[in-house]
Amino acid sequence: DAGITQSPRHKVTETGTPVTLRCHQTENHRYMYWYRQDPGHGLRLIHYSYGVKDTDKGEVSDGYSVSRSKTEDFLLTLESATSSQTSVYFCAITPGGVTHEQYFGPGTRLTVT
Amino acid sequence: AQKITQTQPGMFVQEKEAVTLDCTYDTSDQSYGLFWYKQPSSGEMIFLIYQGSYDEQNATEGRYSLNFQKARKSANLVISASQLGDSAMYFCAMRDPPGGNNRLAFGKGNQVVVIP
Repeated sequence: DAGITQSPRHKVTETGTPVTLRCHQTENHRYMYWYRQDPGHGLRLIHYSYGVKDTDKGEVSDGYSVSRSKTEDFLLTLESATSSQTSVYFCAITPGGVTHEQYFGPGTRLTVT
Repeated sequence: AQKITQTQPGMFVQEKEAVTLDCTYDTSDQSYGLFWYKQPSSGEMIFLIYQGSYDEQNATEGRYSLNFQKARKSANLVISASQLGDSAMYFCAMRDPPGGNNRLAFGKGNQVVVIP
């Protein structure tokens, strides 16, 4: 158990509304990541963080912003949700070490109507 | 840019038989890492196995082994003695080189259904 929780687990929202997803970890890992998963696309990196207030863009960052004010929390915000952002969102952490494998949270299913 | 290719259609495998899932990758870096993840129908992503580009031995973890052919840029996952619980999507992924903040690039996945 990597100690990663995501909230909410499910959300339905309307187009144009802001949405914030939260990822919380209990192990004080430095690296955290946000992915989205869509049918036929696997997982695609949205944003990642390598420390408090240190974030960078991934391959599909348009329409998303992130913040990390504490080591344990990494927030993903959709400023104005669109139907194309309907997806399953996964948060992940890397414990470090030699292999740097990532461990994932349970996911958030977001539907934008 | 890195690229992971998983092109097999959905696979059906008989319980207790072995199954091989194909993964090819494209990178110009010498140092990289390769991963396999399992995603059952419940949705969670489960880390299975890792292979480093400099590792001379193929990685093994229980019933999972990675057939690493560096010259062919291939990192196939072999699941031996399939069980019903192996039914899932399987994703191959590659890590950015050092300095890349350990980001992963994923393939699109292989669907496996184990039949009794």
